[in-house]
Amino acid sequence: GNSVTQMEGPVTLSEEAFLTINCTYTATGYPSLFWYVQYPGEGLQLLLKATKADDKGSNKGFEATYRKETTSFHLEKGSVQVSDSAVYFCALSDRGRSGGYQKVTFGTGTKLQVIP
Amino acid sequence: DVKVTQSSRYLVKRTGEKVFLECVQDMDHENMFWYRQDPGLGLRLIYFSYDVKMKEKGDIPEGYSVSREKKERFSLILESASTNQTSMYLCASSSPGTAVYEQYFGPGTRLTVT
Repeated sequence: GNSVTQMEGPVTLSEEAFLTINCTYTATGYPSLFWYVQYPGEGLQLLLKATKADDKGSNKGFEATYRKETTSFHLEKGSVQVSDSAVYFCALSDRGRSGGYQKVTFGTGTKLQVIP
Repeated sequence: DVKVTQSSRYLVKRTGEKVFLECVQDMDHENMFWYRQDPGLGLRLIYFSYDVKMKEKGDIPEGYSVSREKKERFSLILESASTNQTSMYLCASSSPGTAVYEQYFGPGTRLTVT
Protein backbone atom coordinates (compact mmCIF):
# COMPACT_ATOMS: atom_id res chain seq x y z
CA GLY A 1 0.00 0.00 0.00
CA ASN A 2 0.92 3.66 -0.12
CA SER A 3 3.00 5.25 2.60
CA VAL A 4 4.62 8.57 3.45
CA THR A 5 7.67 8.93 5.67
CA GLN A 6 8.79 12.27 7.00
CA MET A 7 11.53 13.29 9.37
CA GLU A 8 10.71 13.24 13.03
CA GLY A 9 10.56 16.47 14.89
CA PRO A 10 10.55 18.72 16.58
CA VAL A 11 12.75 20.88 14.42
CA THR A 12 13.96 24.03 16.16
CA LEU A 13 15.46 26.84 14.11
CA SER A 14 16.42 30.43 14.65
CA GLU A 15 14.60 33.11 12.68
CA GLU A 16 16.00 33.54 9.13
CA ALA A 17 17.55 30.06 9.11
CA PHE A 18 17.15 27.69 6.15
CA LEU A 19 14.53 24.98 6.51
CA THR A 20 14.41 21.48 5.06
CA ILE A 21 11.84 18.89 6.07
CA ASN A 22 12.42 15.56 4.36
CA CYS A 23 9.60 13.50 2.91
CA THR A 24 9.76 10.24 0.97
CA TYR A 25 6.91 8.17 -0.31
CA THR A 26 5.95 4.73 -1.56
CA ALA A 27 3.13 4.47 -4.04
CA THR A 28 2.00 2.57 -7.08
CA GLY A 29 1.37 4.59 -10.19
CA TYR A 30 1.74 8.36 -10.29
CA PRO A 31 0.44 10.05 -7.17
CA SER A 32 -0.06 13.75 -6.54
CA LEU A 33 1.99 15.10 -3.65
CA PHE A 34 1.07 17.71 -1.06
CA TRP A 35 2.35 19.59 1.93
CA TYR A 36 -0.25 20.62 4.51
CA VAL A 37 0.39 22.94 7.46
CA GLN A 38 -1.38 22.96 10.82
CA TYR A 39 -0.98 26.11 12.90
CA PRO A 40 -1.58 25.83 16.65
CA GLY A 41 -5.24 25.26 17.46
CA GLU A 42 -6.31 24.98 13.84
CA GLY A 43 -7.09 22.34 11.25
CA LEU A 44 -4.84 21.46 8.33
CA GLN A 45 -4.58 23.72 5.33
CA LEU A 46 -2.98 23.01 1.99
CA LEU A 47 0.42 24.69 1.65
CA LEU A 48 1.53 23.49 -1.79
CA LYS A 49 1.09 20.66 -4.26
CA ALA A 50 2.69 18.94 -7.27
CA THR A 51 1.02 16.57 -9.68
CA LYS A 52 3.81 15.06 -11.78
CA ALA A 53 7.52 14.37 -11.80
CA ASP A 54 9.78 17.45 -11.70
CA ASP A 55 6.87 19.75 -10.83
CA LYS A 56 7.75 22.36 -8.22
CA GLY A 57 5.05 23.49 -5.82
CA SER A 58 5.50 26.82 -4.08
CA ASN A 59 3.61 29.09 -1.70
CA LYS A 60 4.48 31.66 0.99
CA GLY A 61 8.20 31.20 0.33
CA PHE A 62 8.03 27.41 0.73
CA GLU A 63 9.00 25.10 -2.13
CA ALA A 64 9.01 21.37 -2.82
CA THR A 65 9.99 19.47 -5.97
CA TYR A 66 8.43 16.15 -7.01
CA ARG A 67 11.42 13.80 -7.49
CA LYS A 68 10.25 10.53 -8.95
CA GLU A 69 13.73 9.02 -9.16
CA THR A 70 14.25 9.39 -5.40
CA THR A 71 10.52 9.21 -4.48
CA SER A 72 10.91 12.39 -2.47
CA PHE A 73 9.11 15.70 -1.93
CA HIS A 74 11.26 17.66 0.52
CA LEU A 75 9.93 20.96 1.85
CA GLU A 76 12.31 23.95 1.86
CA LYS A 77 12.25 27.59 2.82
CA GLY A 78 15.18 29.96 2.57
CA SER A 79 14.45 32.11 5.62
CA VAL A 80 11.95 31.00 8.26
CA GLN A 81 9.96 33.34 10.47
CA VAL A 82 8.46 32.86 13.92
CA SER A 83 5.03 32.78 12.24
CA ASP A 84 6.07 29.60 10.38
CA SER A 85 5.97 27.65 13.64
CA ALA A 86 3.49 24.86 12.97
CA VAL A 87 3.19 21.15 12.20
CA TYR A 88 3.87 20.20 8.58
CA PHE A 89 2.36 17.11 6.96
CA CYS A 90 3.50 15.50 3.75
CA ALA A 91 0.75 13.63 1.87
CA LEU A 92 0.03 11.82 -1.35
CA SER A 93 -3.12 11.23 -3.30
CA ASP A 94 -3.60 8.06 -5.26
CA ARG A 95 -5.18 8.74 -8.61
CA GLY A 96 -7.16 5.52 -8.55
CA ARG A 97 -10.77 6.13 -7.70
CA SER A 98 -13.34 4.17 -5.79
CA GLY A 99 -16.81 5.58 -5.70
CA GLY A 100 -15.46 9.02 -6.57
CA TYR A 101 -12.97 9.03 -3.73
CA GLN A 102 -9.22 9.34 -4.02
CA LYS A 103 -7.47 8.12 -0.91
CA VAL A 104 -5.05 10.53 0.71
CA THR A 105 -2.18 9.12 2.76
CA PHE A 106 -0.59 11.44 5.32
CA GLY A 107 2.80 11.37 6.98
CA THR A 108 3.05 11.60 10.76
CA GLY A 109 3.82 15.32 10.76
CA THR A 110 6.91 17.35 11.66
CA LYS A 111 6.68 20.08 14.25
CA LEU A 112 8.67 23.22 13.45
CA GLN A 113 9.51 25.74 16.12
CA VAL A 114 11.16 29.00 15.08
CA ILE A 115 12.73 31.08 17.84
CA PRO A 116 13.48 34.80 17.57
CA ASP B 1 -13.34 30.43 0.57
CA VAL B 2 -14.31 26.93 1.54
CA LYS B 3 -15.45 26.72 5.10
CA VAL B 4 -15.63 23.55 7.14
CA THR B 5 -16.98 23.96 10.66
CA GLN B 6 -17.12 21.52 13.54
CA SER B 7 -19.65 21.75 16.34
CA SER B 8 -17.21 21.86 19.24
CA ARG B 9 -13.54 22.72 19.70
CA TYR B 10 -13.26 20.89 23.02
CA LEU B 11 -15.41 18.14 24.45
CA VAL B 12 -15.19 16.10 27.63
CA LYS B 13 -17.29 12.95 27.94
CA ARG B 14 -17.51 10.01 30.31
CA THR B 15 -16.78 6.39 29.42
CA GLY B 16 -19.87 4.73 27.98
CA GLU B 17 -21.56 7.92 26.82
CA LYS B 18 -22.84 8.29 23.27
CA VAL B 19 -20.99 11.12 21.56
CA PHE B 20 -21.94 13.07 18.44
CA LEU B 21 -19.42 15.15 16.50
CA GLU B 22 -20.92 17.34 13.82
CA CYS B 23 -19.30 18.74 10.70
CA VAL B 24 -20.75 21.17 8.17
CA GLN B 25 -19.24 22.41 4.90
CA ASP B 26 -20.55 25.24 2.75
CA MET B 27 -19.01 24.48 -0.65
CA ASP B 28 -21.41 21.82 -1.91
CA HIS B 29 -18.64 19.20 -1.79
CA GLU B 30 -19.61 15.61 -2.49
CA ASN B 31 -16.90 13.99 -0.38
CA MET B 32 -16.59 14.29 3.38
CA PHE B 33 -14.17 12.61 5.78
CA TRP B 34 -13.52 11.99 9.45
CA TYR B 35 -9.96 11.53 10.69
CA ARG B 36 -8.42 11.19 14.09
CA GLN B 37 -5.05 12.74 14.81
CA ASP B 38 -2.74 11.30 17.44
CA PRO B 39 0.88 12.20 18.24
CA GLY B 40 3.33 10.09 16.25
CA LEU B 41 0.56 8.51 14.18
CA GLY B 42 -0.44 11.40 11.95
CA LEU B 43 -3.96 11.38 10.51
CA ARG B 44 -5.90 8.15 10.26
CA LEU B 45 -9.09 7.89 8.26
CA ILE B 46 -12.11 6.68 10.22
CA TYR B 47 -14.94 6.95 7.69
CA PHE B 48 -15.74 8.82 4.54
CA SER B 49 -18.79 9.57 2.46
CA TYR B 50 -18.96 10.37 -1.25
CA ASP B 51 -22.68 11.09 -1.39
CA VAL B 52 -25.72 11.61 0.79
CA LYS B 53 -26.58 8.44 2.71
CA MET B 54 -23.40 6.77 1.40
CA LYS B 55 -20.56 5.82 3.69
CA GLU B 56 -17.38 3.80 3.48
CA LYS B 57 -15.09 2.50 6.20
CA GLY B 58 -11.66 3.98 6.41
CA ASP B 59 -8.62 2.49 8.11
CA ILE B 60 -9.87 2.52 11.72
CA PRO B 61 -13.71 2.36 11.78
CA GLU B 62 -14.06 0.17 14.89
CA GLY B 63 -16.04 1.86 17.65
CA TYR B 64 -17.39 4.57 15.33
CA SER B 65 -20.34 5.10 13.04
CA VAL B 66 -21.35 7.98 10.77
CA SER B 67 -24.42 9.63 9.35
CA ARG B 68 -24.87 11.74 6.24
CA GLU B 69 -28.51 12.77 5.80
CA LYS B 70 -27.73 16.03 4.00
CA LYS B 71 -24.95 16.87 1.59
CA GLU B 72 -23.44 19.58 3.77
CA ARG B 73 -23.44 17.67 7.06
CA PHE B 74 -21.44 14.64 8.16
CA SER B 75 -21.72 13.32 11.72
CA LEU B 76 -19.36 11.02 13.58
CA ILE B 77 -20.89 8.93 16.34
CA LEU B 78 -19.13 7.17 19.18
CA GLU B 79 -21.75 4.67 20.33
CA SER B 80 -20.09 4.03 23.69
CA ALA B 81 -17.10 6.25 24.29
CA SER B 82 -13.93 4.71 25.66
CA THR B 83 -10.73 6.28 26.98
CA ASN B 84 -8.77 5.10 23.93
CA GLN B 85 -10.97 7.34 21.81
CA THR B 86 -9.48 10.42 23.45
CA SER B 87 -8.04 12.23 20.45
CA MET B 88 -8.25 15.17 18.08
CA TYR B 89 -10.96 14.61 15.46
CA LEU B 90 -10.72 16.37 12.12
CA CYS B 91 -13.41 16.67 9.49
CA ALA B 92 -12.58 17.40 5.85
CA SER B 93 -14.39 17.82 2.56
CA SER B 94 -13.47 17.75 -1.11
CA SER B 95 -14.93 17.68 -4.57
CA PRO B 96 -14.10 14.82 -6.93
CA GLY B 97 -14.45 17.15 -9.90
CA THR B 98 -11.04 18.77 -9.52
CA ALA B 99 -8.07 17.39 -11.40
CA VAL B 100 -5.77 17.73 -8.43
CA TYR B 101 -7.24 16.29 -5.34
CA GLU B 102 -7.12 18.32 -2.14
CA GLN B 103 -9.08 18.31 1.06
CA TYR B 104 -10.35 21.23 3.14
CA PHE B 105 -10.23 20.75 6.89
CA GLY B 106 -12.22 22.01 9.83
CA PRO B 107 -10.50 23.31 13.00
CA GLY B 108 -10.83 20.01 14.84
CA THR B 109 -12.55 18.78 17.99
CA ARG B 110 -10.36 17.72 20.87
CA LEU B 111 -12.27 14.98 22.65
CA THR B 112 -11.33 13.76 26.11
CA VAL B 113 -13.02 10.62 27.46
CA THR B 114 -12.65 10.15 31.21
